[in-house]
Amino acid sequence: AQKVTQAQTEISVVEKEDVTLDCVYETRDTTYYLFWYKQPPSGELVFLIRRNSFDEQNEISGRYSWNFQKSTSSFNFTITASQVVDSAVYFCALSAYYGQNFVFGPGTRLSVLP
Amino acid sequence: NAGVMQNPRHLVRRRGQEARLRCSPMKGHSHVYWYRQLPEEGLKFMVYLQKENIIDESGMPKERFSAEFPKEGPSILRIQQVVRGDSAAYFCASSPRDWTYEQYFGPGTRLTVT
Repeated sequence: AQKVTQAQTEISVVEKEDVTLDCVYETRDTTYYLFWYKQPPSGELVFLIRRNSFDEQNEISGRYSWNFQKSTSSFNFTITASQVVDSAVYFCALSAYYGQNFVFGPGTRLSVLP
Repeated sequence: NAGVMQNPRHLVRRRGQEARLRCSPMKGHSHVYWYRQLPEEGLKFMVYLQKENIIDESGMPKERFSAEFPKEGPSILRIQQVVRGDSAAYFCASSPRDWTYEQYFGPGTRLTVT
């Protein structure tokens, strides 16, 4: 069965600090997709990234970066120089290559204090 | 270029009534997904539909819940004889093709059962 664990329930940082959100997954599939979504206080869900299991290159997008390590089944998300607007709940998710078993983690609530 | 539309945004029902939640996917998207988010929890997959077909309903409760995505018109998630435990945010997402593509989420419908 697929499973996503986000061990950090809540994190608080002060503005401009770097913060890393952890995501550990379990799957028996050899090919799969990993995702990160942001849910700000307004409630909508914002897609951040999709990564397939073939591609272990780290990715950087502005202040956001993702570290995919297949050996440890982790897909961690780092925000550099955090801002108050980054305050949100962040979800990591996993799906099988053909789309079955799309599973979300429980989320990490990030509070960035001014 | 409108995003995924969901209506109503807020819905209040008394126990035993029916709730109908609507989702209009993004233009050009023919795949729709429904998720439920209970208070303070992550999202749980419910059902995946293409036009006129249910592809995966493994996350749907066996009773009282149904979903459709007709050839014309929005996708509908129907909950019959609602109970207090159905109170949650229901999110719809759409993608242009299958699961392997980014899912774009709607703003959600917050159902409150009194």
